[in-house]
Amino acid sequence: GAGVSQSPSNKVTEKGKDVELRCDPISGHTALYWYRQRLGQGLEFLIYFQGNSAPDKSGLPSDRFSAERTGESVSTLTIQRTQQEDSAVYLCASSKTTGGPRVAQPQHFGDGTRLSIL
Amino acid sequence: DAKTTQPPSMDCAEGRAANLPCNHSTISGNEYVYWYRQIHSQGPQYIIHGLKNNETNEMASLIITEDRKSSTLILPHATLRDTAVYYCIVRVASLGQGAQKLVFGQGTRLTINP
Repeated sequence: GAGVSQSPSNKVTEKGKDVELRCDPISGHTALYWYRQRLGQGLEFLIYFQGNSAPDKSGLPSDRFSAERTGESVSTLTIQRTQQEDSAVYLCASSKTTGGPRVAQPQHFGDGTRLSIL
Repeated sequence: DAKTTQPPSMDCAEGRAANLPCNHSTISGNEYVYWYRQIHSQGPQYIIHGLKNNETNEMASLIITEDRKSSTLILPHATLRDTAVYYCIVRVASLGQGAQKLVFGQGTRLTINP
């Protein structure tokens, strides 16, 4: 079936502009995650959605970053007044939600949006 | 989540089995071992996970020691397309309704040589 889809795949914008990144999770996956990966670095967690609520947004680096999700579907990550340090690949993942405390549900990732701030 | 230790790089000949080790000596009883890989310019790809029994799927096998302090991911017949960074991650299973973020370390850069 279809995997996690992210758009755009590449985005180049000028410093100070706002950008919006989109993630379409796998159908039926109630959990959705955003991560950031800077060049040559590991993944940094940004935010987690369960349905359309965000129980964990501890990884958002500043108030310029926000995210929302419509039901158990599409999510958008918005970065306002972009800075050069925001340049990175932004990855989205989704997973089923366990029906109990001992059921492990793997996360499935999209290929990311490569954001470049000039 | 428990910390994992992996060698920074490994090489393997095409067609041979690639065995990637991971140490997780502080793992607790309710933590699973997950393996992901990331091929250049792609998002991480889920490979396999296990709790205490050995697991096998179409991609790989996961061998977990009896004391659960270490594990080995086995790619039985490595191909050039298996060249990637492989991540071993330990995390608790989802708690109640909450799924948990993955914490990626530096991983092992596996190079498959022709």
